[in-house]
Amino acid sequence: ILNVEQSPQSLHVQEGDSTNFTCSFPSSNFYALHWYRWETAKSPEALFVMTLNGDEKKKGRISATLNTKEGYSYLYIKGSQPEDSATYLCAFPNSGYALNFGKGTSLLVTP
Amino acid sequence: EADIYQTPRYLVIGTGKKITLECSQTMGHDKMYWYQQDPGMELHLIHYSYGVNSTEKGDLSSESTVSRIRTEHFPLTLESARPSHTSQYLCATSTSDFYNEQFFGPGTRLTVL
Repeated sequence: ILNVEQSPQSLHVQEGDSTNFTCSFPSSNFYALHWYRWETAKSPEALFVMTLNGDEKKKGRISATLNTKEGYSYLYIKGSQPEDSATYLCAFPNSGYALNFGKGTSLLVTP
Repeated sequence: EADIYQTPRYLVIGTGKKITLECSQTMGHDKMYWYQQDPGMELHLIHYSYGVNSTEKGDLSSESTVSRIRTEHFPLTLESARPSHTSQYLCATSTSDFYNEQFFGPGTRLTVL
């Protein structure tokens, strides 16, 4: 099993703050890194699939970067809103048939 | 609009009971998965299927079993539930492309007393 590490474990910010989290993964044999958002009582929702070193993807106020050589990805949220409160998971494909997940970063945004 | 359905969403049951967690999908995906998540821990793969009549065990050992008789249906069964089975179980599907993006159901939260 390939280890995926996420930090911080949890984060509490005020509405309007910008924030970022880290995902570390094995840099050897890389071919994709996934980010998911998981709101309480809902299904995990795919945010990004990142594949190329130096890749940067954006969806609204959320963006992500990728460094495959050093094995990390950052997820940024600009101007956090209460509806951004969720657990953010990153995952690394395991032998091509499933995903190895990190424990996630739990984000709480208060008004 | 959900494309992956899981029932029940919550289940509290006594030790020794047989239970089946249902998962069905309308996405037409061949690949399906069951993940288990204990509180504060990662999602761990317990079963997967590449298509009808194909099932394999995942990285995390589990006493549960699965079947895949139809493409859209991938139920998970525990023959005799125990308190150690208390967990959240998530069903997922994926496309057959190289990057294996996965789509999740809402999960079943199981409590065994």
